[in-house]
Amino acid sequence: NAGVTQTPKFRILKIGQSMTLQCTQDMNHNYMYWYRQDPGMGLKLIYYSVGAGITDKGEVPNGYNVSRSTTEDFPLRLELAAPSQTSVYFCATIRASGNTIYFGEGSWLTVV
Amino acid sequence: SQELEQSPQSLIVQEGKNLTINCTSSKTLYGLYWYKQKYGEGLIFLMMLQKGGEEKSHEKITAKLDEKKQQSSLHITASQPSHAGIYLCGAPRGGGSNYKLTFGKGTLLTVNP
Repeated sequence: NAGVTQTPKFRILKIGQSMTLQCTQDMNHNYMYWYRQDPGMGLKLIYYSVGAGITDKGEVPNGYNVSRSTTEDFPLRLELAAPSQTSVYFCATIRASGNTIYFGEGSWLTVV
Repeated sequence: SQELEQSPQSLIVQEGKNLTINCTSSKTLYGLYWYKQKYGEGLIFLMMLQKGGEEKSHEKITAKLDEKKQQSSLHITASQPSHAGIYLCGAPRGGGSNYKLTFGKGTLLTVNP
């Protein structure tokens, strides 16, 4: 998925640890999103941002935090990792009035 | 509450059969996306519908948007094992701007050879 870079690809965390999932886009898109996907399920919106300095909660924000200091970056932070946060995380972007959603390749997170 | 409801949740069909997946919104639709995914892999864009009554086709997959019913349907003709995967519908919210994108829970399609 050209233009949206997510890191890390895989990560194993212990309960209570903290980490940040990075998402960077080089398309100058205003809108950015973080989703999680559990096995056999669809995408649940965690947080989203309509521009630098603006963020808002999605459907499942508990246990996560985000920031948007620049247009390019939208990191997702897990402060106290819990087993329920074991999931695949996707970052996505879309430009204002755009029609195409660009997804990152996903980050596999396991909390043990 | 789930804003986008997909039905069925899962579907098993024999190769060669036709099938339909529905996506119903509890709010006004300003457009609708269809994506396909193999679990754990990236999402594959299928199509986007923007206007009521719009219908698009790609190979053997056809999607239609019924704005009045706040619903979209995805139809696969003569299904093949390559069609297997999770089908997701997604919609922008908020007065026509694309600022909040939510997705349905997905429909898991299995195609038996």
